[in-house]
Amino acid sequence: GAVVSQHPSWVICKSGTSVKIECRSLDFQATTMFWYRQFPKQSLMLMATSNEGSKATYEQGVEKDKFLINHASLTLSTLTVTSAHPEDSSFYICSAQDRGNYGYTFGSGTRLTVV
Amino acid sequence: DAKTTQPPSMDCAEGRAANLPCNHSTISGNEYVYWYRQIHSQGPQYIIHGLKNNETNEMASLIITEDRKSSTLILPHATLRDTAVYYCIALNTDKLIFGTGTRLQVFP
Repeated sequence: GAVVSQHPSWVICKSGTSVKIECRSLDFQATTMFWYRQFPKQSLMLMATSNEGSKATYEQGVEKDKFLINHASLTLSTLTVTSAHPEDSSFYICSAQDRGNYGYTFGSGTRLTVV
Repeated sequence: DAKTTQPPSMDCAEGRAANLPCNHSTISGNEYVYWYRQIHSQGPQYIIHGLKNNETNEMASLIITEDRKSSTLILPHATLRDTAVYYCIALNTDKLIFGTGTRLQVFP
């Protein structure tokens, strides 16, 4: 089945630094990828939709300049949390859409802790 | 996308069938019903999806009412590993928007 690899699985960074999270579709081409964040005991919140070769579309309330998304190829999307602060600590999850079978496959998530 | 309503929590005995309901009374004709589950601290896992007809795969069955206003996910023989949060989503605009889901606890 379709596999999405997300890396790193966890990261601790200092306040003010930037962190990059990678999301790769391993065995299919993903023209569209999605980024979510999830706070403890809450549901997933969609942050943005990224299409290969074009600018990401952000959901209302999500800061474009803080959460930089790059979807440079059909198998790779990256999320960079810039100038991270403790309130950015969360579980970040990516998803890739396989248009061949209407499937949406999720990565295993990245737990970000900003100290 | 249509809003879905699910009970916040359910219990099920191991080995018994788990029936998880979902209400999507405002669903439109071209919106698929997707089910995902999330085990603690992992990414969501696809279970099943359907449009009008009932569907079955190796994980579960999906029963959609004739008027499509509600559906039920059936795990035929629940195991302890099925303990998770189950999300029912009505998909239209190519974006999966998660609601609060149902926390299913399977007990021995």
